Amino acid sequence: LAKTTQPISMDSYEGQEVNITCSHNNIATNDYITWYQQFPSQGPRFIIQGYKTKVTNEVASLFIPADRKSSTLSLPRVSLSDTAVYYCLVVLYNTDKLIFGTGTRLQVFP
Amino acid sequence: GAGVSQSPSNKVTEKGKDVELRCDPISGHTALYWYRQRLGQGLEFLIYFQGNSAPDKSGLPSDRFSAERTGESVSTLTIQRTQQEDSAVYLCASSPGTANNYGYTFGSGTRLTVV
Repeated sequence: LAKTTQPISMDSYEGQEVNITCSHNNIATNDYITWYQQFPSQGPRFIIQGYKTKVTNEVASLFIPADRKSSTLSLPRVSLSDTAVYYCLVVLYNTDKLIFGTGTRLQVFP
Repeated sequence: GAGVSQSPSNKVTEKGKDVELRCDPISGHTALYWYRQRLGQGLEFLIYFQGNSAPDKSGLPSDRFSAERTGESVSTLTIQRTQQEDSAVYLCASSPGTANNYGYTFGSGTRLTVV
């Protein structure tokens, strides 16, 4: 499984765009990039998944450059409720097990 | 139910006692996973069930930990002779198929405190 590296923590203010970058230098051809969000006292929640270029949903956008050695999760106009831990995972397609790192703790201030 | 249900939500036990943690997955989900999360840490994989296949127990930290699943329904994680280092939140997740295709749905966890 490809190892991921992401910042331990980030701070932002309400209304700003937040970009969390994850490095995965040894990503393999069949690996996908997946992000989860975890609020305090809750289990993680699937946010977004992509293979290359850009993926967008109602929650976030995921940008993946051509070499796929990194990815950036973009949260537009964050609010206080976006305060959470964000996990970047690199997952082999059709795999059965997700391995979580320590994630990025995002704190949004008023 | 609509989501993954775990019980109890909180459990305080004395060192040396056995505990059982329960997980009710989403109906129809064939895959079920247990994770452990210590305070301020990431999730640590424990065990995985998929249909009638033999479970992947590669993450169980010791032989004091075991888990069972009845068909494609309820799962129980048992910790025997609990130790203080077992204190953590135990999270259960389920998925309708392979995790990469569908993502996991997690429960809210059982917070275990061993005193």
